Amino acid sequence: GENVEQHPSTLSVQEGDSAVIKCTYSDSASNYFPWYKQELGKRPQLIIDIRSNVGEKKDQRIAVTLNKTAKHFSLHITETQPEDSAVYFCAASKDNDMRFGAGTRLTVKP
Amino acid sequence: DTEVTQTPKHLVMGMTNKKSLKCEQHMGHRAMYWYKQKAKKPPELMFVYSYEKLSINESVPSRFSPECPNSSLLNLHLHALQPEDSALYLCASSQGEQRQYFGPGTRLTVL
Repeated sequence: GENVEQHPSTLSVQEGDSAVIKCTYSDSASNYFPWYKQELGKRPQLIIDIRSNVGEKKDQRIAVTLNKTAKHFSLHITETQPEDSAVYFCAASKDNDMRFGAGTRLTVKP
Repeated sequence: DTEVTQTPKHLVMGMTNKKSLKCEQHMGHRAMYWYKQKAKKPPELMFVYSYEKLSINESVPSRFSPECPNSSLLNLHLHALQPEDSALYLCASSQGEQRQYFGPGTRLTVL
């Protein structure tokens, strides 16, 4: 089955800096790659996603890149703010079967 | 309605109890999911229903029994659980095979 690895497990940045989180997946048939943000005690919230026929997608301060050949994808957050502090999960999915990475705890220091 | 709702928010049960978790969505989504999330871990897929039919069962113990009475509702029946089953149980739904939206979860404690 699909195996998703995510790095780093923790990331601390200064407010205004950029943050990058990287994931790799094992199943070349996976065709959908979402990113979720989960604050303490809350549900995972979809923040951005990318399909396998697209290499890059941007939404304001958040961007995701996908390299299908290398089977890795990354989340980029620019101009980080304290409210970006949360756990971020990447995931890889095919046919409704979605597998998550282990998560990255992002801390943005004011 | 653009939300997935779950009841109850919290549940404490003994190992001999029978209880049910409920999930509802009115977005017209045709796929619904159950995930289990332990503290400081990612959500783990348990079951997937597509068009009210069970399409994925991730080798979940039979003490967890899913049910999809209609396209808007998803239940998870619990019986003879173990303390290690204590976790946050998340429901999600999606229109097709992709964007999944999560409910707030039920925090389950098994004594």
